[in-house]
Amino acid sequence: GNSVTQMEGPVTLSEEAFLTINCTYTATGYPSLFWYVQYPGEGLQLLLKATKADDKGSNKGFEATYRKETTSFHLEKGSVQVSDSAVYFCALRGTGRRALTFGSGTRLQVQP
Amino acid sequence: EAGVAQSPRYKIIEKRQSVAFWCNPISGHATLYWYQQILGQGPKLLIQFQNNGVVDDSQLPKDRFSAERLKGVDSTLKIQPAKLEDSAVYLCASSNTTAGWEQYFGPGTRLTVT
Repeated sequence: GNSVTQMEGPVTLSEEAFLTINCTYTATGYPSLFWYVQYPGEGLQLLLKATKADDKGSNKGFEATYRKETTSFHLEKGSVQVSDSAVYFCALRGTGRRALTFGSGTRLQVQP
Repeated sequence: EAGVAQSPRYKIIEKRQSVAFWCNPISGHATLYWYQQILGQGPKLLIQFQNNGVVDDSQLPKDRFSAERLKGVDSTLKIQPAKLEDSAVYLCASSNTTAGWEQYFGPGTRLTVT
C-alpha cells in the first residue's frame, strides 16, 4: 500500500536559517504529493503540492520538488521565521484515490 | 466562503460511553472525509463519502464506529462504545472536482476517553 516517511522532529532552527524536512514515499502509479502545515491551535492547511514528476510546488517561500527517481518530496525554505513554527505533514494521493496518506509530521521550532 | 465546520471542538467521555461528532462541509463539495489523528501521528482516513454514498471505509473499525451522510451534505461520526485508544483528534475534510480535489480541513474535534 501507499506510505509516507518523513524525518522525525522536533527540528529547532534559528531565525533566517535554511530549512530542509525530508519526505520519501512508497506508492504504485503516479501519486500527487502535498505538504500540509498545522499552526498551533489551527487546522491543517495545504502549503504546496506537485502532481507529476519534476514539478516544483512553492508557496510562502517554501519549495518542494517531486523526484520520482528518488521517490522524494523534500520541503525547503531559504530563511525561516519565527512564524513558521508549526507541524509539517507530507502526504500523497494515490492514483485513482482521493483520500490522502500522511506522514507522521515534523515539528519545526524557530527561535529568534 | 465558509470553511468546513465541526462540532464539538472538545469532548471528554469515559470508556464504554458513546459519542458523536458532526461535520458540515464547504457548500457544494461532494466528497467528505473523516480522518483520525492520534497524538504524534499523521491523520489516518476512516471513511470517505461521495455525496451520500460510501467510497472507502476499509479502515473504519465497524464494530464500534459508524458514519452517515444523509442528503449528501452534513455528516456524523459515532463511536459506541468508546475505548481508551480512541483518544484522538477527529478531522473532517471536503473536496470537489472544480477545486482539483484539494481537501479543505475543519478544525477537528479533540476526543479524550478516560
